[in-house]
Amino acid sequence: EAGVTQFPSHSVIEKGQTVTLRCDPISGHDNLYWYRRVMGKEIKFLLHFVKESKQDESGMPNNRFLAERTGGTYSTLKVQPAELEDSGVYFCASSHGGLAGYYEQYFGPGTRLTVT
Amino acid sequence: SQQGEEDPQALSIQEGENATMNCSYKTSINNLQWYRQNSGRGLVHLILIRSNEREKHSGRLRVTLDTSKKSSSLLITASRAADTASYFCATAARDDKIIFGKGTRLHILP
Repeated sequence: EAGVTQFPSHSVIEKGQTVTLRCDPISGHDNLYWYRRVMGKEIKFLLHFVKESKQDESGMPNNRFLAERTGGTYSTLKVQPAELEDSGVYFCASSHGGLAGYYEQYFGPGTRLTVT
Repeated sequence: SQQGEEDPQALSIQEGENATMNCSYKTSINNLQWYRQNSGRGLVHLILIRSNEREKHSGRLRVTLDTSKKSSSLLITASRAADTASYFCATAARDDKIIFGKGTRLHILP
């Protein structure tokens, strides 16, 4: 079984530019999550999809971040325009559907975003 | 509000010794999970313990959960150089959102 994949593994962009991160969850997983770790701080929740619907986007920092999951398969996270404080590692995770908090979340390798 | 909080923040032990890391949290949970992150790599899921479980084993890993004290511990026995990594506890509540602690950096000395 293929794991969660993320693309790109590393992205370096200038302040003001746009970047789109992609996550492919494990096939059959209805739940998809985005997390972020900013340098020196803990990993923080950004949002949660159940299939194509946003279940919880309370962790999204501001309206420069837009997440989509068309068709309930892969997801994209767009940052537009990027700011210096957006630098960090963005993780995606997926899990089976069902009772909340019951199934483990499988994490991808992360995308390291550097905004200069 | 921050949920999981690991203790200690950093730990160095000799290869072959046991390593114990602790995690405390604040609110009710459905499960608690431990993850490992090797330098520059993604998160690897180690073990999940549900709120109605008290202890779980997986290979050289032993996790305990005390819901009355809102704490968990991760024991790695017979440590190896490859165990050098950051270890995070993460709690999941009813809303399915995982909340991570800041992690414990474990360094295994040769």
